[in-house]
Amino acid sequence: AQSVTQLDSQVPVFEEAPVELRCNYSSSVSVYLFWYVQYPNQGLQLLLKYLSGSTLVKGINGFEAELNKSQTSFHLRKPSVHISDTAEYFCAVGGSGTYKYIFGTGTRLKVLA
Amino acid sequence: DTAVSQTPKYLVTQMGNDKSIKCEQNLGHDTMYWYKQDSKKFLKIMFSYNNKELIINETVPNRFSPKSPDKAHLNLHINSLELGDSAVYFCASSQDKNIQYFGAGTRLSVL
Repeated sequence: AQSVTQLDSQVPVFEEAPVELRCNYSSSVSVYLFWYVQYPNQGLQLLLKYLSGSTLVKGINGFEAELNKSQTSFHLRKPSVHISDTAEYFCAVGGSGTYKYIFGTGTRLKVLA
Repeated sequence: DTAVSQTPKYLVTQMGNDKSIKCEQNLGHDTMYWYKQDSKKFLKIMFSYNNKELIINETVPNRFSPKSPDKAHLNLHINSLELGDSAVYFCASSQDKNIQYFGAGTRLSVL
């Protein structure tokens, strides 16, 4: 069975500071990993994805994530955040053998001026 | 053009009523999904259809009935609405088991 844990429910950070949002997963099969962002009162937008290949994945809006298979982590990072990055961020795990995504409980990123 | 569109965006109704939410995708995908997001933002899969065939049916009350008239549409009908059904419902689509693309959500409030 697959599962996803987002370790932080809220992360406050000052504008232009770096940020890391943590995600750990468990799976007995090869995984696909995703980060989605949800701005207030909007749907989920794909930030980045890992399907195969390089474990360092670059996404939109300057975000990147690195898959660490030994630690089963897929943390999201941005070197310098903006006020507009304030949103809810969801980590999700899928797989080549399944249609089902399992979502983490989300991390609310609040960027402070 | 919106890739995955849901209607209505907001739905306010009384307990006991029956309501439907519609979803359409213009991405040419063969698989569509319904998710429920509760007040704590927890997102959980409810149903999925692949080429109009039900492939995921999670533990959901049978008051919820999905219907897929064709590959581009997946509707959700809810009978006898209860207070606990209040949530945001998201539709999504994918091509086979690949990346899922989400609609903007339908915020359902049951009074």
